[in-house]
Amino acid sequence: RKEVEQDPGPFNVPEGATVAFNCTYSNSASQSFFWYRQDCRKEPKLLMSVYSSGNEDGRFTAQLNRASQYISLLIRDSKLSDSATYLCVVKRFGGGTSYGKLTFGQGTILTVHP
Amino acid sequence: DTEVTQTPKHLVMGMTNKKSLKCEQHMGHRAMYWYKQKAKKPPELMFVYSYEKLSINESVPSRFSPECPNSSLLNLHLHALQPEDSALYLCASSQDSGRTMNTEAFFGQGTRLTVV
Repeated sequence: RKEVEQDPGPFNVPEGATVAFNCTYSNSASQSFFWYRQDCRKEPKLLMSVYSSGNEDGRFTAQLNRASQYISLLIRDSKLSDSATYLCVVKRFGGGTSYGKLTFGQGTILTVHP
Repeated sequence: DTEVTQTPKHLVMGMTNKKSLKCEQHMGHRAMYWYKQKAKKPPELMFVYSYEKLSINESVPSRFSPECPNSSLLNLHLHALQPEDSALYLCASSQDSGRTMNTEAFFGQGTRLTVV
């Protein structure tokens, strides 16, 4: 089983649609959670961190359920510019270490069309 | 300055060549990473440096040799690579110090490597 699993996608949605991505992680020792966005042939860029209480940034809402080891991202009112690959990222620290290991899900491709 | 700078952006090398990829950050981050990304796949961790010491080597072949000359620089030395090593090589850094552990990573634009 992969450490981080995402919806395979791809998602093709019209402008203005609401789309939701899901992600599960297998290691209960995971401590930090993020959604990254990656445009074609570019580097991953942080979209938002994910907190247990849930957090929102404009049209984007992220949720974390530690008991179910489940992370979600909701995008409302999709724009053409939202077209990208969305990567679920989980960070885990080793015992006594001062660095974290980031593990990526396989990514979900979103295409927003006119 | 929230930037990680990688050079070169593109590199074509033969299987007998020796080359180096460079990464630089001036955010005072103490953890630096090398990732490899193949087309249509997520980034895969290669190495982690913490406080300039190699902390994780994800069983990477010895033809890849990382080096951290100081807290701002990270190199990846390449020697005798194979065509299947062609990929996007991403450098990243994060704060990850004693008090701030759960911080995001910032990625450089990557070096697109082609081995011929």
